[in-house]
Amino acid sequence: QKEVEQDPGPLSVPEGAIVSLNCTYSNSAFQYFMWYRQYSRKGPELLMYTYSSGNKEDGRFTAQVDKSSKYISLFIRDSQPSDSATYLCAMTVFYGQNFVFGPGTRLSVLP
Amino acid sequence: DTEVTQTPKHLVMGMTNKKSLKCEQHMGHRAMYWYKQKAKKPPELMFVYSYEKLSINESVPSRFSPECPNSSLLNLHLHALQPEDSALYLCASSPWRGWSIKQFFGPGTRLTVL
Repeated sequence: QKEVEQDPGPLSVPEGAIVSLNCTYSNSAFQYFMWYRQYSRKGPELLMYTYSSGNKEDGRFTAQVDKSSKYISLFIRDSQPSDSATYLCAMTVFYGQNFVFGPGTRLSVLP
Repeated sequence: DTEVTQTPKHLVMGMTNKKSLKCEQHMGHRAMYWYKQKAKKPPELMFVYSYEKLSINESVPSRFSPECPNSSLLNLHLHALQPEDSALYLCASSPWRGWSIKQFFGPGTRLTVL
């Protein structure tokens, strides 16, 4: 079993849809959870990070962590074509530790 | 200045060549990282420098040689690479080693080894 799993997609949605992106993981020691967005031929860009369980909201983006299920989600409301990118989850046991990336989900938001 | 810059953007080299990749940041960050990313795969950590000292080397072959001349600059020297080393090489920085979750990535250098 891989340490972090993510549906690679591609996921295609119409503009304005609510998008749900998910990762599952096997290491119950993970405490910090990040979401990165990577446009084609660019480096990843940190979108959000959360510590332990719970929700965090930033504009159109909401990150959720359910440690009991070892499951994290990123919701994008009112999706835009500019949201079309690969979304990578990443997680680590504690700050100062190197983190593990998921394989990424490719998202296309169609106008 | 809130960005990490990388040069060159593209590099094509033969297996006998020696080349270098350059990364620069002016955010005062004290930790810098090299990652390798193959197509449709997540980034894989290669090296971590913390306060200009190599602190992590994830068992990378010796044909990759990192160098951190100062806190703003990170180089990756390449020698006798193999075609399977063709990938996007990403540099990242973070405020200090202890806050590695807040890493800022550069745009990458796309390397092709012939």
